Amino acid sequence: RKEVEQDPGPFNVPEGATVAFNCTYSNSASQSFFWYRQDCRKEPKLLMSVYSSGNEDGRFTAQLNRASQYISLLIRDSKLSDSATYLCVVQRGNTPLVFGKGTRLSVIA
Amino acid sequence: GAGVSQSPRYKVAKRGQDVALRCDPISGHVSLFWYQQALGQGPEFLTYFQNEAQLDKSGLPSDRFFAERPEGSVSTLKIQRTQQEDSAVYLCASSLRLDNEQFFGPGTRLTVL
Repeated sequence: RKEVEQDPGPFNVPEGATVAFNCTYSNSASQSFFWYRQDCRKEPKLLMSVYSSGNEDGRFTAQLNRASQYISLLIRDSKLSDSATYLCVVQRGNTPLVFGKGTRLSVIA
Repeated sequence: GAGVSQSPRYKVAKRGQDVALRCDPISGHVSLFWYQQALGQGPEFLTYFQNEAQLDKSGLPSDRFFAERPEGSVSTLKIQRTQQEDSAVYLCASSLRLDNEQFFGPGTRLTVL
């Protein structure tokens, strides 16, 4: 079983829709959590960190449930430019990042 | 300021050839990481350096893979006797310290024929 599991999608949604991605992690020692965005044939870029209290950045909201070892990302009012792969990432202390396979999102006009 | 750069961007190798992939981290970044990303997968950790010290190489898939960062700046990932399963994008990332945000380079796409 992979340490970080995500539904690979693709999620095809119309512009303006709200879409949610989920991710589960298996190692309860994980301490830091992130969502990265990766455009086709480009490098991953940090979208946002995920905090226990939940956090919001514009149209993006991230939630963490430590008890269920579950992370989510909500995108409101989807734009065409949101089309990308969203990677769920966990980290145990000062160790390298562990990535999920990614969830592919296509926003359609 | 310049980001992380990698060269070459694309490399085609015949099975059995040796390849060397270069990473130039952001100036002043102490930590440097190598990841391998196969098609349709997320990046998988290979190895990382703190300055010139290789602190973790547990992700290197075989002894054909070797990485170095002799002066604590530029790093090279070498793959000897390449195999088809080595075909992937090799991503380099650097961070100011280990617990800071990692910035990724554009990657080197390796195709082994």
